Amino acid sequence: DQQVKQNSPSLSVQEGRISILNCDYTNSMFDYFLWYKKYPAEGPTFLISISSIKDKNEDGRFTVFLNKSAKHLSLHIVPSQPGDSAVYFCAASGGGSEKLVFGKGTKLTVNP
Amino acid sequence: EAGVAQSPRYKIIEKRQSVAFWCNPISGHATLYWYQQILGQGPKLLIQFQNNGVVDDSQLPKDRFSAERLKGVDSTLKIQPAKLEDSAVYLCASSLDRAGRAWDTQYFGPGTRLTVL
Repeated sequence: DQQVKQNSPSLSVQEGRISILNCDYTNSMFDYFLWYKKYPAEGPTFLISISSIKDKNEDGRFTVFLNKSAKHLSLHIVPSQPGDSAVYFCAASGGGSEKLVFGKGTKLTVNP
Repeated sequence: EAGVAQSPRYKIIEKRQSVAFWCNPISGHATLYWYQQILGQGPKLLIQFQNNGVVDDSQLPKDRFSAERLKGVDSTLKIQPAKLEDSAVYLCASSLDRAGRAWDTQYFGPGTRLTVL
């Protein structure tokens, strides 16, 4: 039972354009959502998060949008840079458990 | 500030052998996590420690996996005996907050890539 789904295994965009990574969840008790970025041979690094009391959180080039009614969140990267090329994981927690549940990840490639 | 250290970085063993992984969290971090990441999947929590006590080990296959965190600092994860399906990257993470809340940023180590033949 996959509670956090990232249905696009990969995404390719041109440098300077917008990257949009999507994530869906099934557990309505989730109330905190995070995005992690992972480079090859390194551990994931925290990127940005959002609480369920908000619908948007912005940090520089990165913005996360949360649509609770659709159980959907997205990560926007504007403008995209080649250094953003990595695997992006969506994660969620809540419902009395602080355990993070991760999606399978989306591999983003930003072409120069 | 030094990050989360893990060793070894790579390990190849045959099935039914045993293996141990070591993790040194960021100094002062009370919470320590072990995750298993199978190829093509996201990390899955195996066990969470608060200082040297276990908070959550619901997804740890206890018949073959064990973990300890002596003195609330370093931690060791052991697999005995290993199976083919244990091939994965084992990630250690730590966070500062003593309550281990999800919104307290987890810092990950580089992981140990285990191959079971």
